[in-house]
Amino acid sequence: QQQVKQSPQSLIVQKGGISIINCAYENTAFDYFPWYQQFPGKGPALLIAIRPDVSEKKEGRFTISFNKSAKQFSLHIMDSQPGDSATYFCAAYIYNQGGKLIFGQGTELSVKP
Amino acid sequence: NAGVTQTPKFRVLKTGQSMTLLCAQDMNHEYMYWYRQDPGMGLRLIHYSVGEGTTAKGEVPDGYNVSRLKKQNFLLGLESAAPSQTSVYFCASSQIHKGQPYGYTFGSGTRLTVV
Repeated sequence: QQQVKQSPQSLIVQKGGISIINCAYENTAFDYFPWYQQFPGKGPALLIAIRPDVSEKKEGRFTISFNKSAKQFSLHIMDSQPGDSATYFCAAYIYNQGGKLIFGQGTELSVKP
Repeated sequence: NAGVTQTPKFRVLKTGQSMTLLCAQDMNHEYMYWYRQDPGMGLRLIHYSVGEGTTAKGEVPDGYNVSRLKKQNFLLGLESAAPSQTSVYFCASSQIHKGQPYGYTFGSGTRLTVV
């Protein structure tokens, strides 16, 4: 029930295209859903996050869509660029459990020029 | 402003050896975490701490111990290393503000190989 399932495992997109990564969760107690971006040899860095009382959040080319009833959320990267090539992780968080994050399995995104 | 610093960055251990990974943060964060990252499995929480002198088990605590004697430091120990502990280890810290994690920051990782 603590799991967050992420798909696809890898994704290849042409420059200028839309990248879409999906996540699903079971535990309705999760109350914060961040996305992290990780480049090789680096630690994950927060990209964008959403609370379950909001259905969509946009920051620049990055948008989170959140469907509370389906217990699913997704990351959309508009106008994908080669510099977006990285591994992306969705995560979920429960405040009253020490603030620990439960991560999805990760998606390796490659944007071809 | 270093953020979260992990040492060492790389290490090779023989099976049965012990070692300690050090995590230091300079942001005065209350919460600290140790994760391991393995291909296709995302990051899994090993242990965490919600304040100086406190520790708690995460998803995969077996074979690891931790200590948080000072607020800024969180140590991860392997008493008897096993090949299954070959992984990349990440430390993170965060503050909590109005019920949400604030400034959740990861270190750059320690790549550990156990042979």
